[in-house]
Amino acid sequence: QVRLVQSGSEVKKPGSSVKVSCKASGGSFSSYAIIWVRQAPGRGLEWMGGIIPMLGRTHSAQKFQGRVTITADKSTTTAYLEVRSLTSEDTAIYYCAANTAGDTVNWFDPWGQGTLVTVSS
Amino acid sequence: QSALTQPASVSGSPGQSITISCTGTTTDVGGYNYVSWYQQHPGKAPKLMIYDVSNRPSGVSSRFSGSKSGNTASLTISGLQSEDEADYYCSSYTSTTALVIFGGGTRLTVL
Repeated sequence: QVRLVQSGSEVKKPGSSVKVSCKASGGSFSSYAIIWVRQAPGRGLEWMGGIIPMLGRTHSAQKFQGRVTITADKSTTTAYLEVRSLTSEDTAIYYCAANTAGDTVNWFDPWGQGTLVTVSS
Repeated sequence: QSALTQPASVSGSPGQSITISCTGTTTDVGGYNYVSWYQQHPGKAPKLMIYDVSNRPSGVSSRFSGSKSGNTASLTISGLQSEDEADYYCSSYTSTTALVIFGGGTRLTVL
């Protein structure tokens, strides 16, 4: 049974960066995909991108390319999402989720508990 | 890339059935069988309820079912229960640069 545990809440200044972690346990970390989805306050879900640790391959929505980096450390079974040049529009809950079939663009289960990132001056 | 179109809200009484629609285009819902549905209770992470249009993950009640016709996917919940009250989101792979898009979400109220 795969379980994902994310790092704690963050408060950041506009223009700064944030790095959120997602520790996986159970299953075979290298073979599944980890994706990142965010949810602004009172809003819907937005897929940001994902990584297949075994291949080191990443996919991301064009909207976030150049500002977002997704990485994974197989030795600690932890995935990371870094977002740079933060603005108030990036205030959201950031979720990681897994696809145990190794697919970054199709069904996501289970999910982490979410990490609230607040961007405020 | 616009979000998939879902009704903002639906409601039903306990024991009834409801259907939530999710309308896209040929570049997403209509072109691929990569449609999934998520249930989200307030303050909680989403939970996968249906994947690949009509498949149920282990542990999800058989009261939940999915289907697709053309560019519209649907989630049907039969025998409504109070614990079904939540937000529901559809998602699909898309051949556009967004790669994955979600619907705007539907608030289900059990009367």
